[in-house]
Amino acid sequence: EDQVTQSPEALRLQEGESSSLNCSYTVSGLRGLFWYRQDPGKGPEFLFTLYSAGEEKEKERLKATLTKKESFLHITAPKPEDSATYLCAVQAGGGYNKLIFGAGTRLAVHP
Amino acid sequence: GAVVSQHPSWVICKSGTSVKIECRSLDFQATTMFWYRQFPKQSLMLMATSNEGSKATYEQGVEKDKFLINHASLTLSTLTVTSAHPEDSSFYICSALTSGRGGTQYFGPGTRLTVL
Repeated sequence: EDQVTQSPEALRLQEGESSSLNCSYTVSGLRGLFWYRQDPGKGPEFLFTLYSAGEEKEKERLKATLTKKESFLHITAPKPEDSATYLCAVQAGGGYNKLIFGAGTRLAVHP
Repeated sequence: GAVVSQHPSWVICKSGTSVKIECRSLDFQATTMFWYRQFPKQSLMLMATSNEGSKATYEQGVEKDKFLINHASLTLSTLTVTSAHPEDSSFYICSALTSGRGGTQYFGPGTRLTVL
């Protein structure tokens, strides 16, 4: 069964303290792995798509990497405005476009 | 980036009434849209996949007669919660799928439904 597991469930950082969020997945035929950011009371905001192992993408303080079993979202020198829930999702093979979401990591960055 | 809107952003209704939520892709056409439900501090739960011009595909356990989905154009999908009850109170979010390599789902801002 296709599954996505994110860790940690919650993370508290001081401003400037770099860290990484993990997304482990088991899926039959990965078509794409997606990272989204969700603020309270809002819809998810698209961040990255990764398609194959070894691929990396960056946006400001965020960098996403992908292996055959997991993805990491690295946050470098975070700021309080980076506080949000970060969601990982995979798109499996089989001709479907559905996303399978992890439970998310709630990140709090304190000044 | 691709923009998706939802209307209304929040709605309060009485038990037994029906509520319609609209989802629009503003700057791209989407043959496929999705409807999700999210409970507090939980992740998104896919309710159904909406394809333009055809019947929606519902996930297991989702009542298709209660949650009516219509995707009449390439930029608009609607979700109607029929005979709403307090247990239907939730945060409903739609997404629209772009074209190209597997596509990317862009999400709307969500609709908060409260049934009294």
